[in-house]
Amino acid sequence: GDSVTQMEGPVTLSEEAFLTINCTYTATGYPSLFWYVQYPGEGLQLLLKATKADDKGSNKGFEATYRKETTSFHLEKGSVQVSDSAVYFCARGPNYGGSQGNLIFGKGTKLSVKP
Amino acid sequence: DSGVTQTPKHLITATGQRVTLRCSPRSGDLSVYWYQQSLDQGLQFLIQYYNGEERAKGNILERFSAQQFPDLHSELNLSSLELGDSALYFCASSSRTGERNTIYFGEGSWLTVV
Repeated sequence: GDSVTQMEGPVTLSEEAFLTINCTYTATGYPSLFWYVQYPGEGLQLLLKATKADDKGSNKGFEATYRKETTSFHLEKGSVQVSDSAVYFCARGPNYGGSQGNLIFGKGTKLSVKP
Repeated sequence: DSGVTQTPKHLITATGQRVTLRCSPRSGDLSVYWYQQSLDQGLQFLIQYYNGEERAKGNILERFSAQQFPDLHSELNLSSLELGDSALYFCASSSRTGERNTIYFGEGSWLTVV
């Protein structure tokens, strides 16, 4: 079935280090792709999204590019901060023409940034 | 602040009991979604309503039910509660159905069943 696979955490980095969190998906169509972030004790916040192949989503220094050929949507940030410590979820929307609206999430990757 | 409001934020109840979680979507959003986040299952889609009608169903147990009212707020009813129902329940909304639409989440309702 359709799924989203993220690299397992936890990921521990020092401040100003480069971050990559891998995400791949399966789909029969061309779903929209999302990264959500969950800070400790809080809800899910949309971090960025891309709706078609080769689109790059970006926000707060984070970027992810929709790669159709590799079915990937890896999250990157050039220089992480302690405040980026959170759980990051990759998600995909439905296949084109399929069930509308609901998202399929990866299992989440916990990031801890040390000063 | 996503604009999606959920109540209560925290709830502790006993096994066998019934609870109702409430959600107010963002102003103007017609679609409401319910998700369950648990340690073992991760984030799972439960159910979606669009303008008062059920639109899609996910991994929702028969003991659970939901509805969306004419003012577009939604309630998730959980009955005959078991310890394994302890989880964070998210409500989310979007402005219309469609695979390219963005879903905005509330802060969740923490349910603890003891």
